[in-house]
Amino acid sequence: GQQLNQSPQSMFIQEGEDVSMNCTSSSIFNTWLWYKQDPGEGPVLLIALYKAGELTSNGRLTAQFGITRKDSFLNISASIPSDVGIYFCAGRATGTYKYIFGTGTRLKVLA
Amino acid sequence: EAGVTQFPSHSVIEKGQTVTLRCDPISGHDNLYWYRRVMGKEIKFLLHFVKESKQDESGMPNNRFLAERTGGTYSTLKVQPAELEDSGVYFCASSLDLRDEKLFFGSGTQLSVL
Repeated sequence: GQQLNQSPQSMFIQEGEDVSMNCTSSSIFNTWLWYKQDPGEGPVLLIALYKAGELTSNGRLTAQFGITRKDSFLNISASIPSDVGIYFCAGRATGTYKYIFGTGTRLKVLA
Repeated sequence: EAGVTQFPSHSVIEKGQTVTLRCDPISGHDNLYWYRRVMGKEIKFLLHFVKESKQDESGMPNNRFLAERTGGTYSTLKVQPAELEDSGVYFCASSLDLRDEKLFFGSGTQLSVL
């Protein structure tokens, strides 16, 4: 079945540092979505990507749809304490309307 | 505009009992999804409705799980009888239609089966 590998699993960084995380798929994806989940809440959509090579920003967040259509990257610049949480990628493969989620990257920011 | 709402937020039941979870999608959203996150693992797909029809139920674990979306509005997910391994957080998500792929999630129902 389809699998999404997300890395790193967790990160401890200093406030002000930049963060990068990525997801790779065994299948070609048509759509990539990036989410952030805070404790006790549902995932909140950060960025949606629809085309290979697409680069999209949302404030300090930037995500890219890999040109192979099998990977995606999320960068957070100048991290702040409220960036703490779990970040998930999700992708939709050709021929299906279900989204597969990565295992998440747990981010902790040290002030 | 109200977001996706789920009820209850928490449910603690004993093995063998029945539990019904409810999801109200964003008004006008045709697509409704159920997902489950178990013990800090990935968020796993359960099923997908388009209006009142089941588009894909390939993620449903077994026949103890029954999802319905009568009238194409809210949806229920019933677990009967519940087993210990059913514990986890059940999320509902909705999107406007198959062209607008932004998926919006509810806050989830934390289910604990003792």
